[in-house]
Amino acid sequence: QVRLQESGPGLVKPSQTLSLTCTVSGGSISSRGYYWSWIRQHPEKGLEWIGYTYNSGSTSYSPSLKSRVSISEDTSKNQFSLKLSSVTAADTAVYYCARGFRSNIESWGQGTQVSVSS
Amino acid sequence: EIVLTQSPGTLSLSPGDRATLSCRASQTVLSSYLAWYQQKPGQAPRLLIHAASSRAAGIPDRFSGSGSGTDFTLTISRLEPEDFAVYYCQQYGTSGGYTFGQGTKLEIK
Repeated sequence: QVRLQESGPGLVKPSQTLSLTCTVSGGSISSRGYYWSWIRQHPEKGLEWIGYTYNSGSTSYSPSLKSRVSISEDTSKNQFSLKLSSVTAADTAVYYCARGFRSNIESWGQGTQVSVSS
Repeated sequence: EIVLTQSPGTLSLSPGDRATLSCRASQTVLSSYLAWYQQKPGQAPRLLIHAASSRAAGIPDRFSGSGSGTDFTLTISRLEPEDFAVYYCQQYGTSGGYTFGQGTKLEIK
């Protein structure tokens, strides 16, 4: 059974870049057909898809975040990563990494809280 | 961009009751691209239903999904205490990516 674990700083200063890594175990991020996503959830709010990587390096991003987001893979470490630039307080959220298919998300990490504050 | 609107925002019911949750899309959604999730406090969401009506692995048969086009429904036939949570619908957009509804909170009456 695949397991996903997010890691990275829990506190980021405004205007800086948020960087998170998802380490995958029990499955290879090189496996065809899977979509490796980042999703966030603002406090007491719903879920917002940020973007995903698939087919060994292809990416797709949310239109609202596209100008600030980059998702990449490190197949040697079986990890994928998120970079979100120019962060503000509005980027404070729980960030999840997840594995899914084109149509849905079947496995989630436990989530990591990221706060943006000086 | 397709917008998913869930109703009601909050549903107050008792264990043993039947729950009916609605998800309405602003444009037609292919049934194969509609999913439902359950989220409990402090936990990640869990996939319940995919392709509008197919239960995910390990999901009890009291959970069922139905609908097509712009109207989809999640039904829980007899509520168990552990079913009280927030439920989200989600669609895959033909231009890529996922869109979620705003959620329905199912609370104990």
